[in-house]
Amino acid sequence: GAGVSQSPSNKVTEKGKDVELRCDPISGHTALYWYRQRLGQGLEFLIYFQGNSAPDKSGLPSDRFSAERTGESVSTLTIQRTQQEDSAVYLCASSTGLEGDEQYFGPGTRLTVT
Amino acid sequence: KQEVTQIPAALSVPEGENLVLNCSFTDSAIYNLQWFRQDPGKGLTSLLLIQSSQREQTSGRLNASLDKSSGRSTLYIAASQPGDSATYLCAVRHSNYQLIWGAGTKLIIKP
Repeated sequence: GAGVSQSPSNKVTEKGKDVELRCDPISGHTALYWYRQRLGQGLEFLIYFQGNSAPDKSGLPSDRFSAERTGESVSTLTIQRTQQEDSAVYLCASSTGLEGDEQYFGPGTRLTVT
Repeated sequence: KQEVTQIPAALSVPEGENLVLNCSFTDSAIYNLQWFRQDPGKGLTSLLLIQSSQREQTSGRLNASLDKSSGRSTLYIAASQPGDSATYLCAVRHSNYQLIWGAGTKLIIKP
């Protein structure tokens, strides 16, 4: 079946602009995750959605970052008033939501803030 | 606080050699450990997942081991090929859902 998809694949924006990144999880996966990967570094956890539970936003680096998810489908990560330090690859993953389950990753969105 | 470290940061070996990548973590209370491959400009490919109750997992030329008590995992690649060139990431499932990541080992296999 189809894997996790993300759009756009690349985004170049000017400092101060808002951007929206989209993630389509695997159908039937109740859990969805957003991660950020800066150049040469490991992934940083941003936010976690599980079904209709309140999301875990503990990884969001500032109040300029927000994310929404409609039911158990599409999620959007919004970055307001982008800064150069926001430049990174943003990765989305989904999973069944069962304990210890495997996360499946999308190809990521490469964000460059100029 | 769980921390994950990968050594070495980069590795270059001739084709055909067997090699070992290392991953260490500071808190042994994990759900599982996962090895991923990342190719430039592409997403992550899961290679092996070892549950906390397991000692190792094998897939083709890859073998991953887990020693929770010492906080270590190794990824063994047999008979390396140029196509194995990529960055290999180790991630620990520390809570029910959150993955804690190492910075990766960049592997280059020379033809």
